[in-house]
Amino acid sequence: EPEVTQTPSHQVTQMGQEVILRCVPISNHLYFYWYRQILGQKVEFLVSFYNNEISEKSEIFDDQFSVERPDGSNFTLKIRSTKLEDSAMYFCARLDSAGGNEQFFGPGTRLTVL
Amino acid sequence: GIQVEQSPPDLILQEGANSTLRCNFSDSVNNLQWFHQNPWGQLINLFYIPSGTKQNGRLSATTVATERYSLLYISSSQTTDSGVYFCAVRMDSSYKLIFGSGTRLLVRP
Repeated sequence: EPEVTQTPSHQVTQMGQEVILRCVPISNHLYFYWYRQILGQKVEFLVSFYNNEISEKSEIFDDQFSVERPDGSNFTLKIRSTKLEDSAMYFCARLDSAGGNEQFFGPGTRLTVL
Repeated sequence: GIQVEQSPPDLILQEGANSTLRCNFSDSVNNLQWFHQNPWGQLINLFYIPSGTKQNGRLSATTVATERYSLLYISSSQTTDSGVYFCAVRMDSSYKLIFGSGTRLLVRP
């Protein structure tokens, strides 16, 4: 059983369009993360989100990115105006605070910007 | 910032062979995880191992935090072990994981 689910599994969009990627935790956790992986490269941290606030973000997470938890359950990553270089796999992760700070990753959303 | 280096970058094995993957990190960490990225791109948790040794079936891992390295052992490799193996670390001052560049493993039948 997946720790988190992500939708969609694959999104194709035109450059300049807005996209929203969704992460749905299976149980009620407070710490969430977004990471991305450009094809063939390593996984990079984007942002962490704790108790409905951003707790940490990377240099990659600029003004075109935003995160929120609009309904207290789904956790979303919005990219306002996509660029070609935003094409990547985007992973949502959650923290297993009960188990000692291990992170578990969702299956990812593959974003392709044309 | 902290550097995480993995070696070797690529590894080809014959089915049944054993291997050791290495992860070096440049600063003190309080969390280290090993992942297997399968051909579908999913990141599968293998070990959460900030220190010590753990075993899970044919896989085992050892982290020597004082010497800033971790090792992942794969014994009797199978074709399904193919994929990319990442180690990732976390420092005291942060909750983010910092990934290495991975070891790409191909196990041939």
